[in-house]
Amino acid sequence: SAVISQKPSRDICQRGTSLTIQCQVDSQVTMMFWYRQQPGQSLTLIATANQGSEATYESGFVIDKFPISRPNLTFSTLTVSNMSPEDSSIYLCSVARAVPAYEQYFGPGTRLTVT
Amino acid sequence: AQKVTQAQTEISVVEKEDVTLDCVYETRDTTYYLFWYKQPPSGELVFLIRRNSFDEQNEISGRYSWNFQKSTSSFNFTITASQVVDSAVYFCALSDPNTGTASKLTFGTGTRLQVTL
Repeated sequence: SAVISQKPSRDICQRGTSLTIQCQVDSQVTMMFWYRQQPGQSLTLIATANQGSEATYESGFVIDKFPISRPNLTFSTLTVSNMSPEDSSIYLCSVARAVPAYEQYFGPGTRLTVT
Repeated sequence: AQKVTQAQTEISVVEKEDVTLDCVYETRDTTYYLFWYKQPPSGELVFLIRRNSFDEQNEISGRYSWNFQKSTSSFNFTITASQVVDSAVYFCALSDPNTGTASKLTFGTGTRLQVTL
């Protein structure tokens, strides 16, 4: 497995502002992903964070709203821009290695409330 | 498109009862992986198991067991002699192998399990 930390663990933000969430892994990983979990809902993939290049976004998510960086193999950030109350969710970072393939581990999540 | 269905929204059992959580999936891929995750009230997602589409052997890990049946596209999860600490939301997920060595996951809507004394 992997030890994953996220900062902040929770935050309350005003609408119209932006928040950057950090994801740090204790060792190098092949893939990093960002998911959103709206209150009482399942997880939805926002994007795959690619090291050294632009993230790959899923349908319904755009770079202007959710810019992502991944400067190296152990760190990524997700920014939630120009927030509205609809952005209130848990944001989770997940990581996967090449071996064993397809095993993903999740960070503790960031609980965001937008007022 | 891939889809995961967890028809049971909420299940309540009394401690020591056995409980089975259902998961039905849809995919056109012949190679895929299935997962179960546990999300306790703290919110963290805990990895429980991964199965690949070529291995239909049932698996047992302590009080947990999984029944993978390709013929019915199901991957059910049974907890034997449930305990209060098993109370959580359980998610079934399906991989998309088209992304290479590691994959993005499609999650079901989750089943909330409440175990009471």
